[in-house]
Amino acid sequence: QQQVKQSPQSLIVQKGGISIINCAYENTAFDYFPWYQQFPGKGPALLIAIRPDVSEKKEGRFTISFNKSAKQFSLHIMDSQPGDSATYFCAAPKGDNFNKFYFGSGTKLNVKP
Amino acid sequence: ETGVTQTPRHLVMGMTNKKSLKCEQHLGHNAMYWYKQSAKKPLELMFVYNFKEQTENNSVPSRFSPECPNSSHLFLHLHTLQPEDSALYLCASSQDALGRIAEAFFGQGTRLTVV
Repeated sequence: QQQVKQSPQSLIVQKGGISIINCAYENTAFDYFPWYQQFPGKGPALLIAIRPDVSEKKEGRFTISFNKSAKQFSLHIMDSQPGDSATYFCAAPKGDNFNKFYFGSGTKLNVKP
Repeated sequence: ETGVTQTPRHLVMGMTNKKSLKCEQHLGHNAMYWYKQSAKKPLELMFVYNFKEQTENNSVPSRFSPECPNSSHLFLHLHTLQPEDSALYLCASSQDALGRIAEAFFGQGTRLTVV
């Protein structure tokens, strides 16, 4: 049973465009939602995370938007660059354990020059 | 070296072989983790070690046997694996395993192929 549904599975964006990746989660008692970036041949790296006492968090060109009532959150990459080409995946806390996460299945982003 | 280092980077083994994956972290962290990453599937947490003690085993088959001799080193001993165990095995570390798991630093992984 997939606890975090991530879409799309793959995404092609032109340089300078906006990349949008969406995640939907099920019930959780905790509020910490990270996004990871993984380049080919590398391990994942924490990119940005949000605690939904706010509906949006921005770090440079990366923004997380959070909709608590809809149990959805999304990653927006503004002014997408070829160097952003990577796999991105989201995570949401498991039910009643703040230290366990369900991961999304990943979105492979390809930014065309 | 800095960060989290995994060896070997690639491993091909037969189903009757015994091999070990090694992970070393140079970050002064106290928690270490093994994850399995299969194509098109979510990342799966396998084992958690906090201050050298195993605190979590996510129903991992016994053909995977972890070992954590100290806070800087983590091993995953493999024996009689199945082809479906072929995956990227990732090691990670964090300051501790008490609410820090999401902030873990990952190694580059070992690409394992079971033939």
